[in-house]
Amino acid sequence: KAGVTQTPRYLIKTRGQQVTLSCSPISGHRSVSWYQQTPGQGLQFLFEYFSETQRNKGNFPGRFSGRQFSNSRSEMNVSTLELGDSALYLCASSPSGSRGGYGYTFGSGTRLTVV
Amino acid sequence: DAKTTQPNSMESNEEEPVHLPCNHSTISGTDYIHWYRQLPSQGPEYVIHGLTSNVNNRMASLAIAEDRKSSTLILHRATLRDAAVYYCIPYRHSGGGADGLTFGKGTHLIIQP
Repeated sequence: KAGVTQTPRYLIKTRGQQVTLSCSPISGHRSVSWYQQTPGQGLQFLFEYFSETQRNKGNFPGRFSGRQFSNSRSEMNVSTLELGDSALYLCASSPSGSRGGYGYTFGSGTRLTVV
Repeated sequence: DAKTTQPNSMESNEEEPVHLPCNHSTISGTDYIHWYRQLPSQGPEYVIHGLTSNVNNRMASLAIAEDRKSSTLILHRATLRDAAVYYCIPYRHSGGGADGLTFGKGTHLIIQP
């Protein structure tokens, strides 16, 4: 059974640019969540999507956005990149997310470096 | 969100049992207790979760105190591959404004050969 796939694995962008990260959940999982991990702040929740609708959102500025497609694949976009956006971005999937009794399966992440 | 307290680090020997404690005295009655671990250079990995009763799976056992203010993750026979940061996370499955999993600093488990 394929796990959660995140692409690309590594990315280098310049301040002010925008970036799109992709996540393919486990087949049959309808919930996709995104997290940011930095050495200073640890793992922080960005948002959760279920059936193409954003269900929950963490405390991040509007520059961080996402969407989910009908096949449950999800993309995350960060506009006007800042140096502080350098982080490991993790995607997690589950059958029903926050309204089910399941755990989450995480991908290996996309390492974003902003220069 | 319920606050959790975990030891910063613990050390154990290979092939011995490991008991990882977590205090969550402000846990809500509807919060499950999730445990995840993160190996170096990898995303977090789900370990186990439970509500009131003790739970077992192929990876570990979860012992939940009767008053639910604390829990213990038990690795029955530690291997070098179990060296990781372990996170205890109270989590409400009812949705509707839930803030996702709230990761604290976790316990850094060191396994000695």
